[in-house]
Amino acid sequence: KAGVTQTPRYLIKTRGQQVTLSCSPISGHRSVSWYQQTPGQGLQFLFEYFSETQRNKGNFPGRFSGRQFSNSRSEMNVSTLELGDSALYLCASSHSLGETYEQYFGPGTRLTVT
Amino acid sequence: AQTVTQSQPEMSVQEAETVTLSCTYDTSENNYYLFWYKQPPSRQMILVIRQEAYKQQNATENRFSVNFQKAAKSFSLKISDSQLGDTAMYFCAFMIMSKLTFGTGTRLQVTL
Repeated sequence: KAGVTQTPRYLIKTRGQQVTLSCSPISGHRSVSWYQQTPGQGLQFLFEYFSETQRNKGNFPGRFSGRQFSNSRSEMNVSTLELGDSALYLCASSHSLGETYEQYFGPGTRLTVT
Repeated sequence: AQTVTQSQPEMSVQEAETVTLSCTYDTSENNYYLFWYKQPPSRQMILVIRQEAYKQQNATENRFSVNFQKAAKSFSLKISDSQLGDTAMYFCAFMIMSKLTFGTGTRLQVTL
């Protein structure tokens, strides 16, 4: 079974621009979560989608948004990019049902804002 | 506040030896799950082991085992017969309502 895939793997953007990252979960997984990883703040939860609905949200400004499609693929968007948004963005998928709750991560998208 | 503390920023162990990484956490919730993830230089986050908080039995996965002390809110990871491929950053995390809260990580170096 294929793992979680994320595209693109690397991205360079300029301050003020917006960006969209994509995540395809493991087949059969209905939950997709997003995390931001930076040297200063570590790993932080952004949001989680389940069956096209945002089920949980972290403490990030409204510039960070996401969505999930009917095939469980998810996108996250960051508008009006700031230098501090430079990070590794990790997507994780899960069955999120009963005992099968563990999250499996994709390889990440490295975003650099200049 | 829900927090995870990993007090060992870096550790080193010789190949074939055993090493224990410590983790403590704080939450007022009663139902949660605990995990150890490893992140090698490739940056791919890999699930190492999981533990349900309601289970008293400590989880084991091959060379990896945990010592879960719920009352003390402690969740340490023991790696037996360390291998060069175990070199990575190790993150302790707990999950409540599908949200993972991570510690700051322990960088483990396995040497010859």
